[in-house]
Formats: sequence, C-alpha cells, structure tokens
Amino acid sequence: DIQMTQSPSSLSASVGDRVTITCQASQDISNYLNWYQQKPGKAPKLLIYDASNLETGVPSRFSGSGSGTDFTFTISSLQPEDIATYYCQQYDNLPPAFGPGTKVDIK
Amino acid sequence: EVQLLESGGGLVQPGGSLRLSCAASGFTFSSYAMSWVRQAPGKGLEWVSAISGSGGSTYYADSVKGRFTISRDNSKNTLYLQMNSLRAEDTAVYYCAKDRSYTVTSSWGVWGKGTTVTVSS
Repeated sequence: DIQMTQSPSSLSASVGDRVTITCQASQDISNYLNWYQQKPGKAPKLLIYDASNLETGVPSRFSGSGSGTDFTFTISSLQPEDIATYYCQQYDNLPPAFGPGTKVDIK
Repeated sequence: EVQLLESGGGLVQPGGSLRLSCAASGFTFSSYAMSWVRQAPGKGLEWVSAISGSGGSTYYADSVKGRFTISRDNSKNTLYLQMNSLRAEDTAVYYCAKDRSYTVTSSWGVWGKGTTVTVSS
C-alpha cells in the first residue's frame, strides 16, 4: 500500500501570509493526487485534483504542484476563512490513502 | 444541486450490525462510482469501500474486508454500507462520496455531511 506523509502537521500564520504544505508519497503516483480542506464538524471539500487543477468554484489563492512522489499545496494569501485541516490523498492505486493532515490557523 | 445525504448511523454494541444509506440527488447516480470514507473521533480520513457505477465492481479496505458490504440501488439513487461484526475501532463519522468517474478512481468531488456510528457497550 502507498503511504502518504505531510508536513508540517500544524502551522500558524498571519492573514495575508503565503502558506505552503508538502506531501510525499512512498512511491511514484504520477499526478494522481488531491488536496482537501476540512473545517471542524464538516465534510472534506475537494480543492485541487490531479495535483494542480483547481476544482470549480475554489478561489485562485489555492494552488498545487508536483508529480511523482513530491507535492506542494500553497495558499498565496491566507484568509480567516481558510482556517481548517488540509489533507493530501493519492488515488493512483487502491487503497486510496490520505496524508495525516495539516492544521492551519491564524497567528 | 448535487447532494448526498447519509443516514442510518447510531449506537450499536460490539459484534452488532448496522446499515448505512446515502441518498443521492442532482446527478445521474448510475453514471458514477461511489465510496464510503470514515473519520474516527479526532483522527484523519480513512477510505472504507468503493463500488462502480453499475455495482459490478466492489473494493474494500483490509480493515473491513469480510465484515462490511457495499451495494447500490440505481433505481432508488441510493448507496448502502452493511456493517456486521462491528468493533470499537469502527466508531467514526461515515461519509459517502461521489467519484469523478463511472469506474472507481477514488477522486471525490462531492461528499455528504456524514453519519455517526458509535460502537460501544
């Protein structure tokens, strides 16, 4: 099974800051990677699919990049409504696997 | 509007059974694979099971294989998860999720709000 790691596990940043989260797969997953946002008590929301494609309706301050085993998720200018936990997820092979999550809050 | 609405969660004793349902609306249900994903209290996300659009292909996480059964009724636009031999570690919020394709790709663009399953004596 493919294992996913994320770093950092949590971060605190100021409104307007650029925030970057990294995700690493235990083997090559090409670009079969999603990024989800989950707010407390809510279902996950797909933000980025195929590593770098913005889901319809998602603000352009969110972006993703990478391929193979190393991926990056960026919020270009952190907003108060971005407070959430962010998960990467591979879907190259079954079983699909999530990273452990990165909790983002406001400093 | 595309919507998924889970139901059927509750409190059950260890060794018991429960059937979850997910009612879909706003899209052609039979054209999309579906999955169940769970989240234990305070923990991350864990994929549980998936089924193709026709229902002819099913897949399970090792942690539930042999105990859980996924199925769908395309005439009723409803996804199911039959959970038997429940264990304390199955306690979680269970989400149904719509795949982006007819075949199982495990890329989910739409999620339900979730239903809570608690396994405890």
